[in-house]
Parts: sequence; structure tokens; C-alpha cells
Amino acid sequence: EVQLLESGGILIQPGGSLRLSCAVSGLAFSSYAMTWVRQAPGKGLEWVSVISGSGGGTFYADSVKGRFTISRDNSKNILYLQMNSLRAEDTAIYYCARGVGAIPPPHFDYWGQGTQVTVSS
Amino acid sequence: DIQMTQSPSTLSASVGDRVTITCRASQTISRWLAWYQQKPGKAPKLLIYKESTLATGVPSRFSGSGSGTEFTLTISSLQPDDFATYYCQLYDNYSWTFGQGTKVEFK
Repeated sequence: EVQLLESGGILIQPGGSLRLSCAVSGLAFSSYAMTWVRQAPGKGLEWVSVISGSGGGTFYADSVKGRFTISRDNSKNILYLQMNSLRAEDTAIYYCARGVGAIPPPHFDYWGQGTQVTVSS
Repeated sequence: DIQMTQSPSTLSASVGDRVTITCRASQTISRWLAWYQQKPGKAPKLLIYKESTLATGVPSRFSGSGSGTEFTLTISSLQPDDFATYYCQLYDNYSWTFGQGTKVEFK
């Protein structure tokens, strides 16, 4: 059974830093690109970042470029999102998901249940 | 960047209705158009990819079509389990974009 389990979401003050994790099991982790997608309260889905299976390719939405860093540890089957200089508008549920279909992956088939990040003073 | 406009934002329907949701792109796009279903408090679920290919386990009442700049998700006969929010998602040139979402609610 494929499982993606996000963790690390907390209440944090503006300007702070936070690292999210996504532990993956049940699939050949290093064979797949992975993504982070977020959803602000009551809003739609927003793509955040994608990383290739090897970790050598990374892509970011303009809204987080220069502040967020995606990475992965293929020996531990864990995906990360390092979030710096956090802003109130980064408040959201953060989902990790597997990318499939091509390289880069055009869509995402397995999703975690999300972790809540709240940026507020 | 390509902009995606999804409509309607809300759709009121009854069980058994045929439902159509549309996504329009600001310019001609490739076939890398996917559709997701999301229920309250849950993660999105992939329904359709590459414009018209049904994901594993998705009922055949769901279908996708379109080309160029206009794409549609159709539910041929709405079932109680289908009341949810639906999103289109485009991949183009190292950028991934979601539509604004369409909430399908009980009439």
C-alpha cells in the first residue's frame, strides 16, 4: 500500500523558518519525482515545488522562489520542504504527492493527507 | 505564464444530472491537462490525466475532452459520492497550474 505522511506543520511567526517532511512507503521512491502543493484556508490548490527522482532537478512557483527549498533523501524515502522568511500568505495545508506521466511529471497520482502551516504573530 | 480559467465556480445539481465543468487556457496548450476531485478535509484525488485518460479505479461516468484552449470534465450521471470540488491542472514548460475549482453542490 502506498502511503505519504506529511509532518512538521506548526504555528510560526512571520519571518520564521520551518522544515516539512513527507515520509513515503510502498513505492520505489527514488524512481519518481515528487511535489508539494498547498491550499490556503477556503481557497484552491496552488502548486509550490517539484523535485526529480534523483534530486538533481528542482522547480518552484514564483511565489516561493528564493524562500523555499525542496530536497529529498532517497536512502530514507523522505521528501522535504525547507521554508524560510515565512509570510502570512504562506498559511496553508501543505500536501506532498507523487509525480507521474513523463519527465517532468505532468500530473500527480498519490497524495498525502497534508500538514497545516500557520504563519501568524 | 499560461492562465487557467475554470467555470463555473459553483454548480448546483441533482443526482442523475449530466454535469460539465470547463477549463480555458489563455493560449493553446499541450494535452497535459488533468482533473482532480477533492472532498472537504481530504487530499485531492486524480480523476483524469492527459486530457481524457481515466485514472485507475475512477468510474466510467467521468470523462474528459477538449483541445487547444478549452477542456471539459463531464460526469454523465451525477452520483451522491460525486458532490465535491473539482480542479483542472495544467503542466507546461516547468510550471504547474491549477484552476480555481468548481464546487458541485446539491440543488
